[in-house]
Amino acid sequence: SQQGEEDPQALSIQEGENATMNCSYKTSINNLQWYRQNSGRGLVHLILIRSNEREKHSGRLRVTLDTSKKSSSLLITASRAADTASYFCATDAYNDYKLSFGAGTTVTVRA
Amino acid sequence: NAGVTQTPKFQVLKTGQSMTLQCAQDMNHNSMYWYRQDPGMGLRLIYYSASEGTTDKGEVPNGYNVSRLNKREFSLRLESAAPSQTSVYFCASARTGSGTEAFFGQGTRLTVV
Repeated sequence: SQQGEEDPQALSIQEGENATMNCSYKTSINNLQWYRQNSGRGLVHLILIRSNEREKHSGRLRVTLDTSKKSSSLLITASRAADTASYFCATDAYNDYKLSFGAGTTVTVRA
Repeated sequence: NAGVTQTPKFQVLKTGQSMTLQCAQDMNHNSMYWYRQDPGMGLRLIYYSASEGTTDKGEVPNGYNVSRLNKREFSLRLESAAPSQTSVYFCASARTGSGTEAFFGQGTRLTVV
């Protein structure tokens, strides 16, 4: 089974609203990353948060990490139509070069 | 810069045929990965190579083999294709396997009939 599970599976919001999605993982991690995938394309890296960090910001993105709950959240503020995509979390562990992905959250931003 | 290049982009195979998916990166990255993506399943790791000369199994290695030909190239081989291997395959590379962002190719859409 996969390391990460995103919630919700799908999300539909109005342009200008915030989008929040969550990722839960099963085993201890070293780093957690978020990626975006536009339809029919490869994944693009958004942000990385290390296990000793609790929050990170990048532009309109805010990521939190709670290692005690084995969960992370990605917040996209003031969403735009161009944010319509699937979003995936990915984790790696100490001394392990595997990069494992969850099933993703599909976000639709309505104009 | 080309980044990560996968060939071919599309392929149709008959059950039992073999083929090799090619992947090359020009970023001098140490780690490379092969994933498959199926609807509702996200990306599942098939094989990865932490560095040149090493390969390891991921979550779903059965039916596949890999070769890390050199630092740039990491190929995925299907020896006897099955309909269950119909999927979109992505290759990725990263400077190191831990704590660095991965760069993805555009994918290979494979259909096995």
